[in-house]
Amino acid sequence: GAVVSQHPSWVICKSGTSVKIECRSLDFQATTMFWYRQFPKQSLMLMATSNEGSKATYEQGVEKDKFLINHASLTLSTLTVTSAHPEDSSFYICSARGWLLAGVSTDTQYFGPGTRLTVL
Amino acid sequence: QKEVEQNSGPLSVPEGAIASLNCTYSDRGSQSFFWYRQYSGKSPELIMSIYSNGDKEDGRFTAQLNKASQYVSLLIRDSQPSDSATYLCAVAIDRGSTLGRLYFGRGTQLTVWP
Repeated sequence: GAVVSQHPSWVICKSGTSVKIECRSLDFQATTMFWYRQFPKQSLMLMATSNEGSKATYEQGVEKDKFLINHASLTLSTLTVTSAHPEDSSFYICSARGWLLAGVSTDTQYFGPGTRLTVL
Repeated sequence: QKEVEQNSGPLSVPEGAIASLNCTYSDRGSQSFFWYRQYSGKSPELIMSIYSNGDKEDGRFTAQLNKASQYVSLLIRDSQPSDSATYLCAVAIDRGSTLGRLYFGRGTQLTVWP
């Protein structure tokens, strides 16, 4: 149980284009999803937190107009990197927490496999 | 400021030895504690969670929590080369606006040599 998937696993795009990354909870209801970014040999950096049906809460320094987050259902959240530039190249990871079974919640965050974005 | 500090690495142990990873946290309101393992180029995977003082064992892994001293540790017995990875300590406060957010340490890189 508690499987989170991400799509795509890697993407290469040209500078100025937009890229959408999907994060899905496969076997549980994700009431909260988190988006992280990780540069090589650095720790995870939380970008934003999204609750299903609500606007995302962005961390300080993260541009909400550049990194659009939508969490419209209990199993899907998307991150869109708009007008991507080479400095946006990174490893983007989502995680989710919520209800494993009816009436059983978990405060554990389960991570997706990540999406490696390269902007040329 | 909610800080999570991990003992500086890298940590190198021979196969079969015990690897000891330590973590301290600054917020006394912290309620949930997690250890994640991250292989190079991969996303973190959960190893252990612990919520109350004392030890929690799962196979070769033992997590220890001491809320009075604000530290949590992870022991890996009979270390294997496949345990070589970066280990991330994470703390959740689960209050108000921080609900569900994890605060991560910078990680300790462990190498188990055969």
